Amino acid sequence: SAVISQKPSRDICQRGTSLTIQCQVDSQVTMMFWYRQQPGQSLTLIATANQGSEATYESGFVIDKFPISRPNLTFSTLTVSNMSPEDSSIYLCSVEQYGWEKGQETQYFGPGTRLLVL
Amino acid sequence: DAKTTQPTSMDCAEGRAANLPCNHSTISGNEYVYWYRQIHSQGPQYIIHGLKNNETNEMASLIITEDRKSSTLILPHATLRDTAVYYCIVRVAGNQFYFGTGTSLTVIP
Repeated sequence: SAVISQKPSRDICQRGTSLTIQCQVDSQVTMMFWYRQQPGQSLTLIATANQGSEATYESGFVIDKFPISRPNLTFSTLTVSNMSPEDSSIYLCSVEQYGWEKGQETQYFGPGTRLLVL
Repeated sequence: DAKTTQPTSMDCAEGRAANLPCNHSTISGNEYVYWYRQIHSQGPQYIIHGLKNNETNEMASLIITEDRKSSTLILPHATLRDTAVYYCIVRVAGNQFYFGTGTSLTVIP
């Protein structure tokens, strides 16, 4: 399975500022995903990031608020822009790998970035 | 993708088998059953997945009923480190993974 790292692991930010979260994978992958997990809640998909194309955002998430870059097959960034306390969450990146033996994709997750906005 | 129903919480004694049920009565023929877990403050961890047949790996066993309307994840010898939220996900290839509220498993010493 892919090994995924995220930076920073946690941060405390002031409202109105922006934070860029990095996601690095140890192998080349086509599909990368960004999720948000608000306190006490389950995971919510923000967007899908494919290399060489614009990210696809889920309902309720917009590019101006969460711009995403995908410069190559092992790296992606998510920026949380103009932050407010409501953006305090864990942000997770994940990658999808195809299991030829079982004929299905599996997603693997990074450790997450814990963001607190004051 | 089909909706899943899981108990909100469960307890299990350390060393005993933990059996986590999942109901997916509206599952269709091409939907796979996946299990993930999330230990507090960590990213979700893939456990196992299957389509029709029972599956086993180094972490757990997945038992899927013959009509595929429900499944059970079995941790054969639960340890304290298995305390986590366990998510049962039903998914068609190409669709997103929808994480519901899961089952909070507490392994008791």
